[in-house]
Amino acid sequence: DGGITQSPKYLFRKEGQNVTLSCEQNLNHDAMYWYRQDPGQGLRLIYYSQIVNDFQKGDIAEGYSVSREKKESFPLTVTSAQKNPTAFYLCASSPRTGGTGANVLTFGAGSRLTVL
Amino acid sequence: AQKVTQAQTEISVVEKEDVTLDCVYETRDTTYYLFWYKQPPSGELVFLIRRNSFDEQNEISGRYSWNFQKSTSSFNFTITASQVVDSAVYFCALSEAGRNQFYFGTGTSLTVIP
Repeated sequence: DGGITQSPKYLFRKEGQNVTLSCEQNLNHDAMYWYRQDPGQGLRLIYYSQIVNDFQKGDIAEGYSVSREKKESFPLTVTSAQKNPTAFYLCASSPRTGGTGANVLTFGAGSRLTVL
Repeated sequence: AQKVTQAQTEISVVEKEDVTLDCVYETRDTTYYLFWYKQPPSGELVFLIRRNSFDEQNEISGRYSWNFQKSTSSFNFTITASQVVDSAVYFCALSEAGRNQFYFGTGTSLTVIP
């Protein structure tokens, strides 16, 4: 079955360490996204990518980095520059939008990062 | 500016009661799309419905129904005869036509008490 796989599901990090969250999709979707979810704040966009080797900053990109070397993969690195990284991170994908349409996002199961 | 407001942070209902989740949006575009997603305790958001701005017909799917009113910029979601399995966080979202960007509300946490 097609879908999005995020790993790890739970991750603990010491302050000052970088960590990378994996996101892999086998839906043949062009666009991929990373969202951060905090209690009471809904989903906030970190980065998104419409095609391979291209990505754009979202609303809260500071302290994060991404790469898009392959269509199916969009890893997120939480750097030590991110002041408050403890959160639930969701990866999503969608077909590339054409014309006046809007595509449905498909989400992964999320990764919960806790900084100790 | 685009914005989605879900004023209800938490709602609790007793099983079999009907419940309506409110969603109000702001956009300057004339062509846009509205969505509802469900996030059960497992964490993965599940797509429920997509509606474009030109289709104001209400939609019913089983116990779920959606009321779209452009005049009040609202896209409300009603669950009829709620069940414990409906307990989840529900998100309303907006996307403008032709762009792969989505604006989410802060979510409404629904608890259905048996």
